[in-house]
Amino acid sequence: DIQMTQSPSTLSASVGDRVTITCRASQSISSWLAWYQQKPGIAPKLLIYKASSLDIGVPSRFSGSGSGTEFTLTISSLQPDDFGIYYCQQYKTYWAFGQGTKVEIK
Amino acid sequence: QEQLVESGGGVVQPGKSLRLSCAASGFTFSSFAINWVRQAPGKGLEWVAVLSYDGSNEYYADSVKGRFTISRDNSRNTLFLQMNSLRSEDTAVYYCARSELGSLLSYFDYWGRGTLVTVSS
Repeated sequence: DIQMTQSPSTLSASVGDRVTITCRASQSISSWLAWYQQKPGIAPKLLIYKASSLDIGVPSRFSGSGSGTEFTLTISSLQPDDFGIYYCQQYKTYWAFGQGTKVEIK
Repeated sequence: QEQLVESGGGVVQPGKSLRLSCAASGFTFSSFAINWVRQAPGKGLEWVAVLSYDGSNEYYADSVKGRFTISRDNSRNTLFLQMNSLRSEDTAVYYCARSELGSLLSYFDYWGRGTLVTVSS
């Protein structure tokens, strides 16, 4: 099974900061990676697929990069609405999610 | 507007069964593979099962294999999850989530709001 590991587990940043979340796969998944944002009590929302493709309607401050085993999600200028938990997901072999990164606004 | 609405959750005793439903609207249901994903209280996301657009291919997580069965009725735009021999560790919010058009192995582009299943005596 492919394991996904995210870091950090929690981060606290100020509005306007550049934020980066890392996701590592236990084996190569090429670019078969998605990122989701989840807010309390609400279903996850797709942000990025195929490692770097922005889903429709997602603000351009979000970007994804990487391939193989290491990936990053970057928020170029953190906004108040960006709080929540971010999950990466591989879909190369079945599906597996990272454990999540909680983003808090200072 | 695409929409997925789960129902059927509740409190059930260990060893008992429960059937969840996921009603779809706003898109051609019969063209998409649909998944079940669950989230235990305060925990992360766990993929549970997927069924292809025509019901011909189904896959399960090891944690539910042999106990859960995924099915669909394309005439009613509805996906089901039959859960048998329930355990306390099955307690979670269960989401249905749509795969990308034309793909079984895919990211999930639309999610329902979830239904809570609590397994407790």
